[in-house]
Amino acid sequence: NAGVTQTPKFQVLKTGQSMTLQCAQDMNHEYMSWYRQDPGMGLRLIHYSVGAGITDQGEVPNGYNVSRSTTEDFPLRLLSAAPSQTSVYFCASSYSFGTSPYQETQYFGPGTRLLVL
Amino acid sequence: DQQVKQNSPSLSVQEGRISILNCDYTNSMFDYFLWYKKYPAEGPTFLISISSIKDKNEDGRFTVFLNKSAKHLSLHIVPSQPGDSAVYFCAASAKEYGNKLVFGAGTILRVKS
Repeated sequence: NAGVTQTPKFQVLKTGQSMTLQCAQDMNHEYMSWYRQDPGMGLRLIHYSVGAGITDQGEVPNGYNVSRSTTEDFPLRLLSAAPSQTSVYFCASSYSFGTSPYQETQYFGPGTRLLVL
Repeated sequence: DQQVKQNSPSLSVQEGRISILNCDYTNSMFDYFLWYKKYPAEGPTFLISISSIKDKNEDGRFTVFLNKSAKHLSLHIVPSQPGDSAVYFCAASAKEYGNKLVFGAGTILRVKS
C-alpha cells in the first residue's frame, strides 16, 4: 500500500507557466482534496472531490483547476502560475459517508513544494 | 479572519514533562475537532479527535480537552518524548459545512532530551 503519492516533490516555475501537480491514492477512497500550506496560515482547502466525475471548490480555488476521471487520481492544474501560488501543496484522501469526508481516515501525501518566480 | 487559532507558534518542553498545546476557535457551528501531527517533509497525520458532545478524549499519552463555552481546546501529551517533536495542527469541522476541515496555523513542539 503506497497510500497517497504526490509528484513532483519540488518545482520551480516562472510567472505565467502552467503545470500539473499529480496525486494518486491506492486505498479506494472516494473523497480526495487539495490543500495549500502557507506560513502562519495553516492548511487551506483548494478543491475537493467526492468521487470520480464530481469536484467542487474549497476556500481558495482561484487560479487552480481539478478533474477526477478515476477514483485513484486527482491532479491539480495551475493554468498561469503567479508568485502568490508559491506554497506547499498537500493532497489528501479519505473514506466518506455521503458527500462528507470521514476525517479520522484522512491520509495526506508528502507534499509538493512549489516556487513561482 | 482565521476561525481556528493556535496562538503559540512554538513550544519547548523537557523530555518526560507535560506538553500542552492550545487552540481557540470562533465559529460556534464547529462540532468536531481534530489534532494532526506533521514531521518535516511529510504530510500531516491524524492524532486524536473529539466531538462537541464530549469534553475529554484520551488515547494513550494524548488527551484532548474541549471547553465549548470558552471555544477552546487543548492537547496534552504526557510524558513528552523526543519523537513527539513535530508541528501540531488543530482543525475543526461542522456538519453544516460538509465536514470540511478548517486548520489552525500550527505549533512547533520541541521536546528536549
